[in-house]
Amino acid sequence: DAMVIQNPRYQVTQFGKPVTLSCSQTLNHNVMYWYQQKSSQAPKLLFHYYDKDFNNEADTPDNFQSRRPNTSFCFLDIRSPGLGDAAMYLCATGTGGISANEQFFGPGTRLTVL
Amino acid sequence: AQSVAQPEDQVNVAEGNPLTVKCTYSVSGNPYLFWYVQYPNRGLQFLLKYITGDNLVKGSYGFEAEFNKSQTSFHLKKPSALVSDSALYFCAVRALNAGNNRKLIWGLGTSLAVNP
Repeated sequence: DAMVIQNPRYQVTQFGKPVTLSCSQTLNHNVMYWYQQKSSQAPKLLFHYYDKDFNNEADTPDNFQSRRPNTSFCFLDIRSPGLGDAAMYLCATGTGGISANEQFFGPGTRLTVL
Repeated sequence: AQSVAQPEDQVNVAEGNPLTVKCTYSVSGNPYLFWYVQYPNRGLQFLLKYITGDNLVKGSYGFEAEFNKSQTSFHLKKPSALVSDSALYFCAVRALNAGNNRKLIWGLGTSLAVNP
């Protein structure tokens, strides 16, 4: 089945220790999104890629970076995690363009910062 | 400004009763509207969407939603609730600004509790 995969499902890191979260997709979608979601709040878009074109949200801290080496994979790098970065991180994909419709989500990675 | 409102933080309903989760929107032009469900510690799952056509949209797990242009609403409904429907529900609308049409504007979510 075509899907969005996130690894790991649970990640524990120490304050200030860099961490990378991974997302892959078999949907061959042009767009890949990274969201941060805290305790049953609405997901907050951090950034997205449209093909190789990176689109950062204005309020995304510099501490958060992303890489998309190819269509299938996208990574979220948190350079120096703080306690406030503990959250669920959701990856999603979409078709983009004029027919941009629903987004398809992975299961999420829950990040704990000690 | 474009926005989505879910006026109820929580909805409680008895199993077997009909349920409604409310959503209103504010966009210029024709909206693309979506409903997602999130179970504990899981990602969001797409339920249904309205793009154009019939105002009553049917989706996954027996859910449906009615688009009402005059009331700018897109309420989620189900004729008979199940305990397993207990989850967090998000309404979203596609941003229509040039260059932003790949983004969704999210409501704050409504927690649905179905009691046995």
